Amino acid sequence: GQNIDQPTEMTATEGAIVQINCTYQTSGFNGLFWYQQHAGEAPTFLSYNVLDGLEEKGRFSSFLSRSKGYSYLLLKELQMKDSASYLCAVSTGKAGNMLTFGGGTRLMVKP
Amino acid sequence: SQTIHQWPATLVQPVGSPLSLECTVEGTSNPNLYWYRQAAGRGLQLLFYSVGIGQISSEVPQNLSASRPQDRQFILSSKKLLLSDSGFYLCALKNRGYEQYFGPGTRLTVT
Repeated sequence: GQNIDQPTEMTATEGAIVQINCTYQTSGFNGLFWYQQHAGEAPTFLSYNVLDGLEEKGRFSSFLSRSKGYSYLLLKELQMKDSASYLCAVSTGKAGNMLTFGGGTRLMVKP
Repeated sequence: SQTIHQWPATLVQPVGSPLSLECTVEGTSNPNLYWYRQAAGRGLQLLFYSVGIGQISSEVPQNLSASRPQDRQFILSSKKLLLSDSGFYLCALKNRGYEQYFGPGTRLTVT
């Protein structure tokens, strides 16, 4: 079966750095995604990791350790608009066609 | 670029009534299509996916069904809604790349 764990809620201050962790246990692994979802809206793609290491994209970075079943999303220079849910998802199956999502981490950024 | 349309945007239905949600896509051909459901404050649960016309795979046995009558059309149906069917229904597509793109969603409330 698939099991993906991430914290339910986090709070951080505007301008600070926050790290959202995700651990997973899956049968088959093609890669790991992070999506951002604002309240009432559809998820939007943030990052994709298939190899171990850190992928940096502007203020957002994502890290993967396949041997440890662990990933994190790092958000720097937090802005109020970063208040959203962050969804960790593991890609499995043929050609990575299947995504299994964690429950999401709701991040609140305070002034 | 590809676009995903979902309708209706919101829906309130009584228990026991039928359901039909439609998803259509533009700007792509032969995509994988997916139906997800998101309960309030929760992660995304994969309900159905399709790799082509008439090909449907069900991930969660329940009172919902899906059909793909055309390459760019994916329909989610139910003959009799339950209270537990309430949620945010998202259609997604995947092309040859690794990313899944999400439509705007339909918010369903069963009363």
